[in-house]
Amino acid sequence: GQSLEQPSEVTAVEGAIVQINCTYQTSGFYGLSWYQQHDGGAPTFLSYNALDGLEETGRFSSFLSRSDSYGYLLLQELQMKDSASYFCAVRGGNYGQNFVFGPGTRLSVLP
Amino acid sequence: GAGVSQTPSNKVTEKGKYVELRCDPISGHTALYWYRQSLGQGPEFLIYFQGTGAADDSGLPNDRFFAVRPEGSVSTLKIQRTERGDSAVYLCASSLSSGDEQFFGPGTRLTVL
Repeated sequence: GQSLEQPSEVTAVEGAIVQINCTYQTSGFYGLSWYQQHDGGAPTFLSYNALDGLEETGRFSSFLSRSDSYGYLLLQELQMKDSASYFCAVRGGNYGQNFVFGPGTRLSVLP
Repeated sequence: GAGVSQTPSNKVTEKGKYVELRCDPISGHTALYWYRQSLGQGPEFLIYFQGTGAADDSGLPNDRFFAVRPEGSVSTLKIQRTERGDSAVYLCASSLSSGDEQFFGPGTRLTVL
């Protein structure tokens, strides 16, 4: 089967750094994505890692270790607007044609 | 430019009825995905189109669910004999053929009474 695990909730204060971990077990692996979703909104793309290592995009960075079936999203200089749910998603299948999303991590940023 | 649009935004129906949900992807995006999302959970993959063909429909829960994309643009998700368990937000996303970034629409909230 296919499964992804993430912490259900994380709380941090403005200006802090937070790391959201994701471990996965899937059949076929092409890459790991991260999406942000505010309450009542649609998921929005944050990052995609196909190869091992760290990808940095502004305040957000994403890391992948394929040998460990593990990745994380790092959010720096937290802002109140970062309060949202964050989902990791594995691109998998026989030729990378489907995406399995994790259960999501709800991030609360406190003043 | 215009993003992904979905209609209707809300749909309330009675158990046993037939519903159609529409998705207009971003122009030029050949890949189109349907997901459904229940409260507090991640999106659940349903089906993936590349152009007009369903490249992967392994996520459709049963034969009451069907989706089409006849001209490689607009897609319709069809649900027959709806059940209360079908209540969820149905999300559509599109991407470039080789893109890993999916652009999601606002979703259709389906409620089956």
